[in-house]
Amino acid sequence: GENVEQHPSTLSVQEGDSAVIKCTYSDSASNYFPWYKQELGKGPQLIIDIRSNVGEKKDQRIAVTLNKTAKHFSLHITETQPEDSAVYFCAASIQAGGTSYGKLTFGQGTILTVHP
Amino acid sequence: GAVVSQHPSRVICKSGTSVKIECRSLDFQATTMFWYRQFPKQSLMLMATSNEGSKATYEQGVEKDKFLINHASLTLSTLTVTSAHPEDSSFYICSAEFKKQYFGPGTRLTVT
Repeated sequence: GENVEQHPSTLSVQEGDSAVIKCTYSDSASNYFPWYKQELGKGPQLIIDIRSNVGEKKDQRIAVTLNKTAKHFSLHITETQPEDSAVYFCAASIQAGGTSYGKLTFGQGTILTVHP
Repeated sequence: GAVVSQHPSRVICKSGTSVKIECRSLDFQATTMFWYRQFPKQSLMLMATSNEGSKATYEQGVEKDKFLINHASLTLSTLTVTSAHPEDSSFYICSAEFKKQYFGPGTRLTVT
């Protein structure tokens, strides 16, 4: 089955700096890659996602890049703010057809701390 | 839009009892719902996938007789932990799928 590796496990940055989190996946058939932000004691919140037919997607301060050949994708957060502090998870799945994205396989998570 | 709720948010039960957790999609009909379990400082582990009106598909190693899933409608799925033991204490999170997967806020189960 699919295996997703995520690095780093912890990341500490100063407010205003950029943060980059990287994930690699094993199954070349995976074609959907979402990123989730999870705050303490809460459920994960979808922040951005990308399909395999796109190399990059941006939403304000957040961007995701995908390298299908190397089977890795990254989350980029620019101009970080203290409220960006949370655990970030990458995931991968195979879109089965129609609107179903199927089962998500999650990375191990990255604890991001943004210092004021 | 795409709001998923869970009830209760926290529950404490005694060993040997059963507890039911509800997952609802509030503003959309979910084709599929998923149940995850998350231990402290760990990632989410998929327990089962459920579709309305059919039996849930459990992941390897998950006891289907212990974790009963009922998907009664396109907006409601329930997870019942039967004969709970302290090792079942965990954070249980559901998600509902409509084009993308949206997660509920989670339920903290403590078995004493």
